Amino acid sequence: NAGVTQTPKFQVLKTGQSMTLQCAQDMNHNSMYWYRQDPGMGLRLIYYSASEGTTDKGEVPNGYNVSRLNKREFSLRLESAAPSQTSVYFCASIRGPGTEAFFGQGTRLTVV
Amino acid sequence: DAKTTQPPSMDCAEGRAANLPCNHSTISGNEYVYWYRQIHSQGPQYIIHGLKNNETNEMASLIITEDRKSSTLILPHATLRDTAVYYCIVRAALMMDSSYKLIFGSGTRLLVRP
Repeated sequence: NAGVTQTPKFQVLKTGQSMTLQCAQDMNHNSMYWYRQDPGMGLRLIYYSASEGTTDKGEVPNGYNVSRLNKREFSLRLESAAPSQTSVYFCASIRGPGTEAFFGQGTRLTVV
Repeated sequence: DAKTTQPPSMDCAEGRAANLPCNHSTISGNEYVYWYRQIHSQGPQYIIHGLKNNETNEMASLIITEDRKSSTLILPHATLRDTAVYYCIVRAALMMDSSYKLIFGSGTRLLVRP
């Protein structure tokens, strides 16, 4: 049982480049989330998808777009990367309200 | 979602109980209290959650005050591997828009001393 899988694990981008972070869960969960975590800080919610076909902004959505491709996959896109987006990105999924979240192991992104 | 307040850091001796407090004075009746922890730079890990009653599992105990305005996570016999950041979150359990957001605060950095 893989749980929540994020790819890639590490990435270095140049300023202005674009990339997509991938997240997939095999637990048939309804809701999925993207967070960023800067050094020494807590997790901040970027976007979330309450269910397949819906997405909503979180606390820090600027500079990002998301796609809930299907129930399993939720991708995060940086159209024009900036050094301020250097961070560790975590994906999470939840079956529904009242249940616990499961997290991926993170993607470490550096924008130079 | 109700906001939570936690001390930024705590420490305890290995083998002793670690008691981590959380204040959630604006919690509403349909909101659960959840605890997660993050070891080093790994993805957060679920520990325990509760609504009104105290809860216990193989990892920890959760004590919720009668007025539900605060709670305490207890690690009964802390080990060095329990050194982590612990997050307290409140979240609605009903099928409503606000229940889908999952907002983390800054957490408590627990250091378990040898």
